[in-house]
Amino acid sequence: AQRVTQPEKLLSVFKGAPVELKCNYSYSGSPELFWYVQYSRQRLQLLLRHISRESIKGFTADLNKGETSFHLKKPFAQEEDSAMYYCALSGKSNYQLIWGAGTKLIIKP
Amino acid sequence: NAGVTQTPKFQVLKTGQSMTLQCAQDMNHNSMYWYRQDPGMGLRLIYYSASEGTTDKGEVPNGYNVSRLNKREFSLRLESAAPSQTSVYFCASTWEGQGPIGELFFGEGSRLTVL
Repeated sequence: AQRVTQPEKLLSVFKGAPVELKCNYSYSGSPELFWYVQYSRQRLQLLLRHISRESIKGFTADLNKGETSFHLKKPFAQEEDSAMYYCALSGKSNYQLIWGAGTKLIIKP
Repeated sequence: NAGVTQTPKFQVLKTGQSMTLQCAQDMNHNSMYWYRQDPGMGLRLIYYSASEGTTDKGEVPNGYNVSRLNKREFSLRLESAAPSQTSVYFCASTWEGQGPIGELFFGEGSRLTVL
């Protein structure tokens, strides 16, 4: 079964500390993985996708096929990073994204 | 370029009332989606339309109907609202016509409360 798991509902770290938001997936094949972010009172938007291998707003994510993970990392958290983060998976043969339950990230001053 | 526009932003209904959420996109996207967002459950797909003239059920279609009016517009109708339909609803679109989808573009959301 295709599934995306974000084990942490809430993650709270201090400003300047490293951040890692976990995402594990279950999929038989080669999926495409995404991280979406929803800042307070803003619409959901794409943060990054694994095929682009970009670093957006200091965030990076590496697809680990052996561990079936796509964790989102940032070495030094900023207060403006506080938001809801969703991991999502796109398979090869459907029109849908499979979403994790989301992790609320709070950056404490 | 407005992107994805959905209306209304807020609505309060009584149980049994009906309403339609409207969604329009100006990006010439083929595929459009309706999601609901509930705390601790992430985004759940209600219905989607892979292309103009087609609609398909998602994960949680019961109690909803949709219409792909044209390439730009995709509406979601609640025929007889129930308190379990209290949620935030998001419309989204993407240009992919077939197969795996890439980036989704979202509307601002519609917060619906059913009393």
